[in-house]
Amino acid sequence: NAGVTQTPKFQVLKTGQSMTLQCAQDMNHEYMSWYRQDPGMGLRLIHYSVGAGITDQGEVPNGYNVSRSTTEDFPLRLLSAAPSQTSVYFCASSYSQRSAYNEQFFGPGTRLTVL
Amino acid sequence: QQQVKQSPQSLIVQKGGISIINCAYENTAFDYFPWYQQFPGKGPALLIAIRPDVSEKKEGRFTISFNKSAKQFSLHIMDSQPGDSATYFCAVITGGGNKLTFGTGTQLKVEL
Repeated sequence: NAGVTQTPKFQVLKTGQSMTLQCAQDMNHEYMSWYRQDPGMGLRLIHYSVGAGITDQGEVPNGYNVSRSTTEDFPLRLLSAAPSQTSVYFCASSYSQRSAYNEQFFGPGTRLTVL
Repeated sequence: QQQVKQSPQSLIVQKGGISIINCAYENTAFDYFPWYQQFPGKGPALLIAIRPDVSEKKEGRFTISFNKSAKQFSLHIMDSQPGDSATYFCAVITGGGNKLTFGTGTQLKVEL
């Protein structure tokens, strides 16, 4: 199993450009999510999905779009990049059992710089 | 609003010493309290987690202590080793076991 994979590893964008961060998992996990990590702020939830065709907003969703057409893939789209979106982005996945702690498995991250 | 407050922001401990990281939360409706460990350039990975009906959980050198009445939980790393040098995040879980809210992180350095 490759686990959770993310591409690209690094990306530099200019203000106003758009791009898609890719995330895939091969563990048949129902739950997938995107976080951003900024110094001194921990990881903050951007969007999440409890299954194919179902997405919802997290704590900091503005400026980002997601879709979940398959169980395996959960891409994150930046519609018009802004310098405030400079961050490290992590994708995570887990099973979705209720009344249980579902360990979340994180990808290696994408480091994004917006100039 | 910050639902989880973590301290200290950074910590230096001598090899063999005890590392202690504290977290405090505000909402009482959390289901689980995990700790994640992150090495530079990597994603976070689950270290240990505790349910709110348990006061302590130990796994090897790592122990979570949980104080429900004070709304606090802490991570103790016994016999700290240089390989433990990493950033540690506490988190709280709600929403049926998946939705994580993280603390701000503690950068631990274990010196020889």
